[in-house]
Amino acid sequence: AQRVTQPEKLLSVFKGAPVELKCNYSYSGSPELFWYVQYSRQRLQLLLRHISRESIKGFTADLNKGETSFHLKKPFAQEEDSAMYYCALSGQAGTALIFGKGTTLSVSS
Amino acid sequence: ETGVTQSPTHLIKTRGQQVTLRCSSQSGHNTVSWYQQALGQGPQFIFQYYREEENGRGNFPPRFSGLQFPNYSSELNVNALELDDSALYLCASSLDNRDTQYFGPGTRLTVL
Repeated sequence: AQRVTQPEKLLSVFKGAPVELKCNYSYSGSPELFWYVQYSRQRLQLLLRHISRESIKGFTADLNKGETSFHLKKPFAQEEDSAMYYCALSGQAGTALIFGKGTTLSVSS
Repeated sequence: ETGVTQSPTHLIKTRGQQVTLRCSSQSGHNTVSWYQQALGQGPQFIFQYYREEENGRGNFPPRFSGLQFPNYSSELNVNALELDDSALYLCASSLDNRDTQYFGPGTRLTVL
């Protein structure tokens, strides 16, 4: 079954602390993995795509095929990182995005 | 460059009614995907349209139907509305059916 699991519903950290948002997936094949972010009162937007291997707003994510994980990391959290984060995958056909349930990241000073 | 737009923003319907939601894709994008996001859940794929043809469908009943027009804008139609259809409906457009999807702000549908 194709599935994305984000085990944490809420992650609360202090400003300057490291952040790791977990994402595990189940997919028969080689999926493309994404992180989408939704800031308060804004639309869902792409944060990272694993094939681009970019670092956006200080966030990185490494695809671990052995552990079927795509965890999102940032060494030093900022208050403006507070948002809802969704991990998603799509198959090589590139049609449907399958989303996890999301993790709310709350960064406080 | 104009982003993805959706109308209306909010909608209230009663059970059994029919609804049409609209989406204008980002300039130059020929692919539109629709998602349903229930409260507390991630978006769920309904279907995708590529160059006016349906190009994939999720696990939704036939009363969820769609259309894509020659200008690549799209409609989502839902017949015989049920209470569980209450959700945020998201539209996303992409340059083609293998490219990054860019989301609209959504339409909040409430079924009473």
